[in-house]
Amino acid sequence: AQKITQTQPGMFVQEKEAVTLDCTYDTSDQSYGLFWYKQPSSGEMIFLIYQGSYDEQNATEGRYSLNFQKARKSANLVISASQLGDSAMYFCAMREVGGSEKLVFGKGTKLTVNP
Amino acid sequence: NAGVTQTPKFRILKIGQSMTLQCAQDMNHNYMYWYRQDPGMGLKLIYYSVGAGITDKGEVPNGYNVSRSTTEDFPLRLELAAPSQTSVYFCASFKGQGDTGELFFGEGSRLTVL
Repeated sequence: AQKITQTQPGMFVQEKEAVTLDCTYDTSDQSYGLFWYKQPSSGEMIFLIYQGSYDEQNATEGRYSLNFQKARKSANLVISASQLGDSAMYFCAMREVGGSEKLVFGKGTKLTVNP
Repeated sequence: NAGVTQTPKFRILKIGQSMTLQCAQDMNHNYMYWYRQDPGMGLKLIYYSVGAGITDKGEVPNGYNVSRSTTEDFPLRLELAAPSQTSVYFCASFKGQGDTGELFFGEGSRLTVL
């Protein structure tokens, strides 16, 4: 069974600094996708970044990058130049490719950006 | 573009009442999902569908039912509501196998059972 582990319930960062949110995963599948979603206090789920298991390069989207270490089964999110608006819950998720394609979510990390 | 639309956004139910959460998507996506999110927790899969006429259970299906008569709609029915079903419910859709894109989420439906 697939499992996502986020070991940091809460993280604090100073505005304009970089922060890394940890995510490890467990799966026996060879083909899978890894996602990060942001959930602000308003509650909606905002897609940030995607990494395929066969992608050789780490995914980047603006200030977001995914540090993918396949052998360690980790998919950490790096946010550069943090902004106050980055304060939110962040969820790591994994999708099995083929079959149901369902997303399995971690419990999330609450990021607080301090001015 | 409407994307994934959920109704209602808020609802209060009494114990034992029933209701249906509506979900519609206009992206012609084959795959649709219902998740629930309890306070301070991640999302747990209730039911999913890989196409019209096909549904299957997720992690936490007890107390819920779904149907998928059309590609666009995927309603979630709560029978005999219980306080444990107090949660935020998210509907999501995905284009289908071979697509490496994201799941698209609705805005969520906050349900309180008293």
